[in-house]
Amino acid sequence: QVQLVESGGGVVQPGRSLRLSCAASGFTFSTYTMHWVRQAPGKGLEWVAVISYDGSNKYYADSVKGRFTISRDNSKNTLYLQMNSLRVEDTAVYYCARDLGGEDVWGKGTTVTVSS
Amino acid sequence: QSVLTQPASVSGSPGQSITVSCTGTSTDVGSYGLVSWYQQHPGKAPKLMIYEGSKRPSGVSNRFSGSKSGNTASLTISGLQAEDEADYYCCSYAGSSTFLWVFGSGTKVTVL
Repeated sequence: QVQLVESGGGVVQPGRSLRLSCAASGFTFSTYTMHWVRQAPGKGLEWVAVISYDGSNKYYADSVKGRFTISRDNSKNTLYLQMNSLRVEDTAVYYCARDLGGEDVWGKGTTVTVSS
Repeated sequence: QSVLTQPASVSGSPGQSITVSCTGTSTDVGSYGLVSWYQQHPGKAPKLMIYEGSKRPSGVSNRFSGSKSGNTASLTISGLQAEDEADYYCCSYAGSSTFLWVFGSGTKVTVL
């Protein structure tokens, strides 16, 4: 069945880096736009970034622009989020999602905690 | 980043119908038919309930329906059931170079 599984979360100090992964299965990954969405503790959902099916187009929320990089490896059916210069306010559950706006699919999320 | 406006809470008794509103602007909800609604239970990932404004994914009860008028989208839950108690979020394509997608502030639905 269609599945997205995030990994790579953890506890990191402010200013450090972390890379999240999202392994896709059950569908043709290389034909779908993919997103990262996050949710801070007790808060609502926030769109973070999107990448086109072939990786040629990428867009970011202002809150992460210049610090986060979305990428994908279609040969490995995997989506990535490289997070640099992490801030306390980046603490959240990070979800990957397929095709927002359509009949989308979400993973269960991975937790990132930025704390000294 | 812009956030779509939702009421903080809506409540109803079992069997009743409730409506959750999602108010945006002419540059997001008002411009595109790409409004989705998500249900989220505590500690769980969001679950898609409505997409493209009014379409239901397979497996989602027909008690859930979506509509849009101008800059406001709405989610209606009819025949309210205990398991409908959850947080609900709307989401719209915004098309801006600074934020392509925007979510609502979230609504806590309580079944009395």
